[in-house]
Amino acid sequence: DADVTQTPRNRITKTGKRIMLECSQTKGHDRMYWYRQDPGLGLRLIYYSFDVKDINKGEISDGYSVSRQAQAKFSLSLESAIPNQTALYFCATSVKAGESGANVLTFGAGSRLTVL
Amino acid sequence: AQSVSQHNHHVILSEAASLELGCNYSYGGTVNLFWYVQYPGQHLQLLLKYFSGDPLVKGIKGFEAEFIKSKFSFNLRKPSVQWSDTAEYFCAVSTMNSGYSTLTFGKGTMLLVSP
Repeated sequence: DADVTQTPRNRITKTGKRIMLECSQTKGHDRMYWYRQDPGLGLRLIYYSFDVKDINKGEISDGYSVSRQAQAKFSLSLESAIPNQTALYFCATSVKAGESGANVLTFGAGSRLTVL
Repeated sequence: AQSVSQHNHHVILSEAASLELGCNYSYGGTVNLFWYVQYPGQHLQLLLKYFSGDPLVKGIKGFEAEFIKSKFSFNLRKPSVQWSDTAEYFCAVSTMNSGYSTLTFGKGTMLLVSP
């Protein structure tokens, strides 16, 4: 089984619909992240969470919300999807600062979202 | 704001050619530097990283990168590329954001290696 699992892997939806992308991990990592990838723009950070009670906005949080339901689960929601949110979304995890491997991200396989 | 620049968006090489992908960052503090690779249809994987010490770091599959602090650069190199190196390569820098450390990625360089 993958260390970082994202569901769904592919989703097509319509403008205005609410969408949730889910991420779960078996790494035991404290930190979890949501990025979106767009061609020619690289990866941009949407939200990140350093523990269950800690949620922070990233570079492009507008139009998105997150929930850290447990250490192992971090979901991303689009309350009212719009076409420019069509992208590939990646969840990632890392150990906390001070631990060996801090800032090294483990990525999920990605969730491809298309908003019509 | 911190930024990461990758100079080439697309690179096309023949097998056995040498590779150098440029990466520059704008951040004056202590940084951790990374190169990630994304093979077609796959997720990002760590290629190599620099935290401290020897500025020349070696990664998987024969890749290496050199941290030049005075130039704010962390260029990726490989002496002889293979067709299987066809992928998108991302440089990333850890930066402080409101007291937290997060990664900022470059826009990526798509490498196509022709057999």
